[in-house]
Amino acid sequence: EVQMVESGGGLVQPGGSLRLSCAASGFTFSSHAMSWVRQAPKGLEWVSAISGSGGSTYYADSVKGRFTISRDNSKNTLYLQMNSLRAEDTAVYYCAKASDSSGYYFTSSDYWGQGTLVTVSS
Amino acid sequence: QSALTQPASVSGSPGQSITISCTGTSSDVGGYNYVSWYQQHPGKAPKLMIYDVSNRPSGVSNRFSGSKSGNTASLTISGLQAEDEADYYCSSYTTSSTLVVFGGGTKLTVL
Repeated sequence: EVQMVESGGGLVQPGGSLRLSCAASGFTFSSHAMSWVRQAPKGLEWVSAISGSGGSTYYADSVKGRFTISRDNSKNTLYLQMNSLRAEDTAVYYCAKASDSSGYYFTSSDYWGQGTLVTVSS
Repeated sequence: QSALTQPASVSGSPGQSITISCTGTSSDVGGYNYVSWYQQHPGKAPKLMIYDVSNRPSGVSNRFSGSKSGNTASLTISGLQAEDEADYYCSSYTTSSTLVVFGGGTKLTVL
């Protein structure tokens, strides 16, 4: 059974940092690109993606230069390092598995975690 | 404002069919066959219903179908059931520097 479990969310002050983790199981982790998608308070927003090998990373303009995506394929874990956080980064953050198994494409995601809430407020 | 435009709400009676539209541009929906549709029930994670315009993942009911014409993609749900009541989001690859864009979401009400 495919499972993704996010952790690391919480309350942080503007300008602060957080590191989100996503532990994956039930599939060949390194064969799939992975994404972070956030939701606040209603609509979905793609944040970042990483290829299966970890060699290619992609970011939305809204987080470029502040967020860093990475993965540890030996631990089947995806990360999102978030720096210089702003109030507008407040959202539920989901990790999502690309449905394509080439390791490159991430335009659709067939499994999502339950999400972790990030609140940026003083 | 979302990059892809969806109606805020649609409704239908059990057994009927409804269609949700998703309008973009030639830089996203119209230019590539990378449109996906997600269903989201309150408090739950999104669920992939359609990928690459018209493909259904295994386990998704064949009552759900996708299509595209020009810059507009559509999700059709036939034989509406009460459990179809949810929010639906479209997404697409885009040539803009933000590589994936979502629609604003459509709330489906089953009357």
